[in-house]
Amino acid sequence: DVKVTQSSRYLVKRTGEKVFLECVQDMDHENMFWYRQDPGLGLRLIYFSYDVKMKEKGDIPEGYSVSREKKERFSLILESASTNQTSMYLCASNLIDRDNSPLHFGNGTRLTVT
Amino acid sequence: AQSVTQLGSHVSVSEGALVLLRCNYSSSVPPYLFWYVQYPNQGLQLLLKYTSAATLVKGINGFEAEFKKSETSFHLTKPSAHMSDAAEYFCAVSEEGSNYKLTFGKGTLLTVNP
Repeated sequence: DVKVTQSSRYLVKRTGEKVFLECVQDMDHENMFWYRQDPGLGLRLIYFSYDVKMKEKGDIPEGYSVSREKKERFSLILESASTNQTSMYLCASNLIDRDNSPLHFGNGTRLTVT
Repeated sequence: AQSVTQLGSHVSVSEGALVLLRCNYSSSVPPYLFWYVQYPNQGLQLLLKYTSAATLVKGINGFEAEFKKSETSFHLTKPSAHMSDAAEYFCAVSEEGSNYKLTFGKGTLLTVNP
């Protein structure tokens, strides 16, 4: 089974801090994604990456950046955390060669910014 | 542009009753359709996916969904609800040629009453 591991389940950070959320997958998937999940809003795509060092903005990239130095690892960076970034963050991965390749998700990181 | 509408943010059924979760999509090209389930404090898991091989798709845990092109719908059903089905359910759509662009609905929280 594919495993997508997010390094932290819960994080509490202060406003203005630089925050790193880490995600690792073990199935050699080309695509990796970061979503945020908020009640009543569903999942919204922040950034995705289709290869090492390649990235594209999703629907809500403002205030975030990403890094993909190795195929298995995809990091989400909050340059200066703000309270409106308090949310559940979900990492996912899938294969690049089929449009119906399903996403495999990590268990999420619940970030609170105070 | 593709979009997904899930009718009803909260559905409540009795144990043993029919489960019906509604999903309508808009897509300018033939879509790829998915249902995901999220149990408390977990990431999303794939329930089933539409691959165009058959309009009635069977998934895990006794769920199935029917693709109706004329109604642009992909409703999720289960004949008899079980307490363990209580979770949040997300419908998602992607378009051919846009593997990364998976658009999610806002989710439907299913409650199962004893």
